Amino acid sequence: EAGVAQSPRYKIIEKRQSVAFWCNPISGHATLYWYQQILGQGPKLLIQFQNNGVVDDSQLPKDRFSAERLKGVDSTLKIQPAKLEDSAVYLCASSLDILGPRTGELFFGEGSRLTVL
Amino acid sequence: DAKTTQPNSMESNEEEPVHLPCNHSTISGTDYIHWYRQLPSQGPEYVIHGLTSNVNNRMASLAIAEDRKSSTLILHRATLRDAAVYYCIPTRSLNDYKLSFGAGTTVTVRA
Repeated sequence: EAGVAQSPRYKIIEKRQSVAFWCNPISGHATLYWYQQILGQGPKLLIQFQNNGVVDDSQLPKDRFSAERLKGVDSTLKIQPAKLEDSAVYLCASSLDILGPRTGELFFGEGSRLTVL
Repeated sequence: DAKTTQPNSMESNEEEPVHLPCNHSTISGTDYIHWYRQLPSQGPEYVIHGLTSNVNNRMASLAIAEDRKSSTLILHRATLRDAAVYYCIPTRSLNDYKLSFGAGTTVTVRA
C-alpha cells in the first residue's frame, strides 16, 4: 500500500519569496493534516481537513500561510511571503474518516524541508 | 490537553530491552495514550496505543500504570533501527488525530 506522498523533499528560498508544498494522502483517507516541525521540536498541527472542508485551522498563520484540498484528495500548503522563522519540515499526514472506524493511527509522509535564507 | 513528561534521552545496547517512561498525571479517565516514533529524516510513525490495559503488538509493548498517571513503552530487543525520537501523546478519543507532540525522548542504540 502506498504511503503519504509529499513533494518537494527539499526547498531553499530567500525570505519574502513564496513556496508551495504538495501532499497526496493514502487512498481512501478522508482526513488530511499539515504539521510544522522546527528543528529540535515535535511537530505542531497547522491545519486539518475532513474531505475538502477545513476542520481546524486555528494554528495556521493566515497572514502568510494558506492551504487547500479542492477535490478532497490532494492538498497544497503555500507560504507567501516566507520569513526566516518558517524554516522547518512540513509534514503531511492522513487518517481514515474521524467518524469512521476507530483505528487510532495517523500516517505521516516523509516531509518537505524548507530553508529560508 | 493532558501534559506529559518524558526524559530527554536514553541509551541502550543492541538486543537489550529499552523501557521508555512517560508521566501523564493530568490525564483524564477517558484519554487514550498513544506512542509515536520518528526515525531520522522521516515523518513520525505510529507505535502503539492503549487505554487501561497493557497492550502488545509486533513493535512494542505498552504498560499502563493502574492509576493511569504514567505509562512505559517497552522495546523488547533494541536494534539499531530503533534509534529514534519517541513521543508519548494522550488523546481525548481514539480518533482524535490532532496529536500534540512534545519534545519526546531521543533513544540511542549502541552496537
